[in-house]
Amino acid sequence: EAGVTQFPSHSVIEKGQTVTLRCDPISGHDNLYWYRRVMGKEIKFLLHFVKESKQDESGMPNNRFLAERTGGTYSTLKVQPAELEDSGVYFCASSQWGSGSYNEQFFGPGTRLTVL
Amino acid sequence: LAKTTQPISMDSYEGQEVNITCSHNNIATNDYITWYQQFPSQGPRFIIQGYKTKVTNEVASLFIPADRKSSTLSLPRVSLSDTAVYYCLVGAYTGTASKLTFGTGTRLQVTL
Repeated sequence: EAGVTQFPSHSVIEKGQTVTLRCDPISGHDNLYWYRRVMGKEIKFLLHFVKESKQDESGMPNNRFLAERTGGTYSTLKVQPAELEDSGVYFCASSQWGSGSYNEQFFGPGTRLTVL
Repeated sequence: LAKTTQPISMDSYEGQEVNITCSHNNIATNDYITWYQQFPSQGPRFIIQGYKTKVTNEVASLFIPADRKSSTLSLPRVSLSDTAVYYCLVGAYTGTASKLTFGTGTRLQVTL
């Protein structure tokens, strides 16, 4: 079974540009999460989808970040316009509704975003 | 959310047992304890979860004393491939749809 995939693996853009990150969760997983780790900091929660609906977006830093999950499948996270402090690694995770272990989320490899 | 405290780093030789202790003094009654492992250039990976006493799976054991103010992740006979960052997370059980709160983690370095 394929795991959580993220694209691209790396992205280097200039300040003020737009970048869109994509996450494909494990098939059948209704829950999809975005996290990020900026340089030297802890991994922080950004938002949570249940299917196509935003369940919790309390971690989104500001309105330059827009997340969507079309049809409850893959998700995109757009940063527009990007700022220097947006540099970091963006992780996507998914989990199955009502599955076994509490809080067992399956993470993707992350997208490393560098804003110059 | 309960705050956790872990050692920043640990070193071990291959073949030894490694115990990583996490403090969570203000853990709530309905909080569970979960450990994740993260290798370089990968996302975190679930290792083990428990509420009280001892939990064991094919990868690790988790020891939780009666007062639940701390927990210890035990990795038996570590190998070089166990070099990673280990995160202790504490949070309430609300089904499988809860966001995770990561701390700084413990960086384990295993050498020959």
